[in-house]
Amino acid sequence: GESVGLHLPTLSVQEGDNSIINCAYSNSASDYFIWYKQESGKGPQFIIDIRSNMDKRQGQRVTVLLNKTVKHLSLQIAATQPGDSAVYFCAEITWWVSGNTGKLIFGQGTTLQVKP
Amino acid sequence: NAGVTQTPKFQVLKTGQSMTLQCAQDMNHEYMSWYRQDPGMGLRLIHYSVGAGITDQGEVPNGYNVSRSTTEDFPLRLLSAAPSQTSVYFCASSYSIQSDTEAFFGQGTRLTVV
Repeated sequence: GESVGLHLPTLSVQEGDNSIINCAYSNSASDYFIWYKQESGKGPQFIIDIRSNMDKRQGQRVTVLLNKTVKHLSLQIAATQPGDSAVYFCAEITWWVSGNTGKLIFGQGTTLQVKP
Repeated sequence: NAGVTQTPKFQVLKTGQSMTLQCAQDMNHEYMSWYRQDPGMGLRLIHYSVGAGITDQGEVPNGYNVSRSTTEDFPLRLLSAAPSQTSVYFCASSYSIQSDTEAFFGQGTRLTVV
C-alpha cells in the first residue's frame, strides 16, 4: 500500500554535529519528495524537495538524498543548531496525469532534539 | 499577505454536534487539502481539491465533508462529531500538486470532542 515512514521517532544530537533523518517510502510511482519541519504549535514548513529523477539536492545547511532502488530518503542537516529542534516529516507526491490530480502524503515524523 | 488562515484556532464540541472548520488562502492556489494530526500518526490526508468545484477523498475521509465553491476557500465539515475526531487539523494550499511546488500550512485548529 501507499505509505511513507520514518525509521526513528526521536533523534538526539549534540549542537554542532551533523544530523541525518531517514525515511522509507513504499510507493515506487511517487514523483516528488519533500521534507517539512514542524515547530511546536505551528503548521509544517517546507525545507527542501527532490524530484524522483534526482538522487541528491542541496540547500542551505540541508541535503536530501534519494535512493530509489531501496525506496529510501534522507535529510542531512549540517552543523545542527538549537533552532533545528523540531519534528521533521518526509512527504511524497503521487500525480496522476490522466486525472490531473495528485496527493501529498506524509510520514509519521522524527523529533530532532539538539543538546547544547 | 495572510497566506493560509484557519478558524477557529480552538474548538470544543459535544458528541453529535456538527461544525465547519474554515480555511482560506489569498495566494490564488489551485490545490488545497485538509490533514489531521494525531500523536504518533503524523499528518493524515482527509480530503483534497485540485481546483474550484473538484474535491477528492484522502486517507481518512469518513465523517468529514468538503466543498470548493471558490478558489480561496476550502471548508471542512464535521457532520456528527465523535471523540475519535479529537485532533489538530491543518489546512494546506499550493500552486499545484505537481513538482516544484511548496505547500503552505495554516496554524492549525485544535478540536476536542467530549
